[in-house]
Amino acid sequence: KQEVTQIPAALSVPEGENLVLNCSFTDSAIYNLQWFRQDPGKGLTSLLLIQSSQREQTSGRLNASLDKSSGRSTLYIAASQPGDSATYLCAVNDYKLSFGAGTTVTVRA
Amino acid sequence: GAVVSQHPSWVICKSGTSVKIECRSLDFQATTMFWYRQFPKQSLMLMATSNEGSKATYEQGVEKDKFLINHASLTLSTLTVTSAHPEDSSFYICSARDVGVAGGNEQFFGPGTRLTVL
Repeated sequence: KQEVTQIPAALSVPEGENLVLNCSFTDSAIYNLQWFRQDPGKGLTSLLLIQSSQREQTSGRLNASLDKSSGRSTLYIAASQPGDSATYLCAVNDYKLSFGAGTTVTVRA
Repeated sequence: GAVVSQHPSWVICKSGTSVKIECRSLDFQATTMFWYRQFPKQSLMLMATSNEGSKATYEQGVEKDKFLINHASLTLSTLTVTSAHPEDSSFYICSARDVGVAGGNEQFFGPGTRLTVL
């Protein structure tokens, strides 16, 4: 059974600082890995999807890396802003999506 | 493209009643849809996988007689919570897989339905 772990569980940083969110998974036989953002009481917003054959994906200030062999992915958010405050979920797709518990980010103005 | 809608966005019902939640893929066909549940401050847990024209596959611990899933068309799946009780109060989210996309493994998520059972 796929297990997904996200560290840290919570993170508070001053505005402008770079964010590093970590995700690890136990079974490397995956199709892809996806990072989502979830605001309180809301649904999921897809941020980045990395196919199993890729090493990284970038979108604006976001960059996600994938090391399938070691079962790790990292989401980098450059120059954080208060609007980046949310919970970030990592999900691993091995036909089914298995979610981590999330990292709750607070960016202080 | 790849938009998934859910209806209703929120519902409040009395204990013992049944509630139906719809999940629609608006601009693509989805042979497979997924239903998730999220309790407060917890992550999403897969409840069941819904395949068009066949019975749903439920995850361990999910009561199939309580959570009825119907996937009658390529764009619609429904989840019916039967005889709802307060402990069923949760955020229910569906997703759909776009079979038209090469690889076809990305899931697109609906906005979720907040169920509150009094």
